[in-house]
Amino acid sequence: AQSVTQPDIHITVSEGASLELRCNYSYGATPYLFWYVQSPGQGLQLLLKYFSGDTLVQGIKGFEAEFKRSQSSFNLRKPSVHWSDAAEYFCAVVNTGFQKLVFGTGTRLLVSP
Amino acid sequence: DTAVSQTPKYLVTQMGNDKSIKCEQNLGHDTMYWYKQDSKKFLKIMFSYNNKELIINETVPNRFSPKSPDKAHLNLHINSLELGDSAVYFCASSQAGSENYGYTFGSGTRLTVV
Repeated sequence: AQSVTQPDIHITVSEGASLELRCNYSYGATPYLFWYVQSPGQGLQLLLKYFSGDTLVQGIKGFEAEFKRSQSSFNLRKPSVHWSDAAEYFCAVVNTGFQKLVFGTGTRLLVSP
Repeated sequence: DTAVSQTPKYLVTQMGNDKSIKCEQNLGHDTMYWYKQDSKKFLKIMFSYNNKELIINETVPNRFSPKSPDKAHLNLHINSLELGDSAVYFCASSQAGSENYGYTFGSGTRLTVV
């Protein structure tokens, strides 16, 4: 079955520093991958997605992610983090048959002044 | 215009009560979902409906009964509420095969059972 692993439960980054959140997936074919962000008390907002084509995808709020098939990874990056980026970040993959979205356990991003 | 709207946003109720959460999407999507987010923020699918037909039921207790009167609505009724049902419930919709394929989520319903 498809699965997603986010190895980091918490990450603390200084404001203005770069960020990389890790995501590894388990999927036999070309995966459909997503990154979502959840601010405290809020719903899930789509940051970006990858289906095919260019392996470096750009998203909203200055985020990007790179799909690396050889490493089964889809890491999220941002060159300069803002305090407002503090939130929970979820990586997700669509299962075979496109019946559901399977989420990783999430990474909580803390931004220090 | 909210794409996926769910009501209520907050729900506090006593054990043993029955409650419903409503969800509506105006995106024209064919598929709707209910996800549960537990206290550790883990998101797990509960149900999926495609054009009003149930396609996924992820071993959810039968106290939970989804209903889809049309493809724009998916409601969740919960009988005999238990403490363990306390969570945030998210409704979502998607349209497979479209160029803009993705999952759009509602803002969530925080259910607290006391």
